[in-house]
Amino acid sequence: GAGVSQSPRYKVAKRGQDVALRCDPISGHVSLFWYQQALGQGPEFLTYFQNEAQLDKSGLPSDRFFAERPEGSVSTLKIQRTQQEDSAVYLCASSLPPRTDSPLHFGNGTRLTVT
Amino acid sequence: DQQVKQNSPSLSVQEGRISILNCDYTNSMFDYFLWYKKYPAEGPTFLISISSIKDKNEDGRFTVFLNKSAKHLSLHIVPSQPGDSAVYFCAASANGNKLVFGAGTILRVKS
Repeated sequence: GAGVSQSPRYKVAKRGQDVALRCDPISGHVSLFWYQQALGQGPEFLTYFQNEAQLDKSGLPSDRFFAERPEGSVSTLKIQRTQQEDSAVYLCASSLPPRTDSPLHFGNGTRLTVT
Repeated sequence: DQQVKQNSPSLSVQEGRISILNCDYTNSMFDYFLWYKKYPAEGPTFLISISSIKDKNEDGRFTVFLNKSAKHLSLHIVPSQPGDSAVYFCAASANGNKLVFGAGTILRVKS
């Protein structure tokens, strides 16, 4: 399909494990975002890439969270030493313009459960 | 500090009637506002947007109204259809910065 693809759809991790979440944005989209959505809440901004450059990582909750987009397309969000409070849906979104306020195309998310 | 607030967690409307979803914001620098719709197990999808230079934007059954003095916007859906049942998120941005989302309102349209 032509939409934003995220994998895995579901991930269960034991507390302390490292996880890696993948995002394939729409081809040609310059801007890529990661959002975290806790149960019953709206998406909360984590980080933003313009091509391969990470221009804003102000939303990453701790230094256990790391994101990369080395070739300006696929992105990976890595969480080290997972904690129970990391349990959430992680949403990736992309947009064509190199700006942060244009309508975003979201993937279906990865639901992370830390036990 | 919630900059975008959707104070109604849920709304139930009869098919064919108008649905009105509300959103309040606190940051006077916000200049662009969007509504997203989300079905279970899917990501949010963009619905409609409005710039702060306008007070109304319409797209088919969907109209967004912006009242800058009250820092309030609303989404009107008329007529409401059962397929409109979803979670609706209000979002806002300032000066081209990242989108800030509200907590969402669950809309149920009864047939």
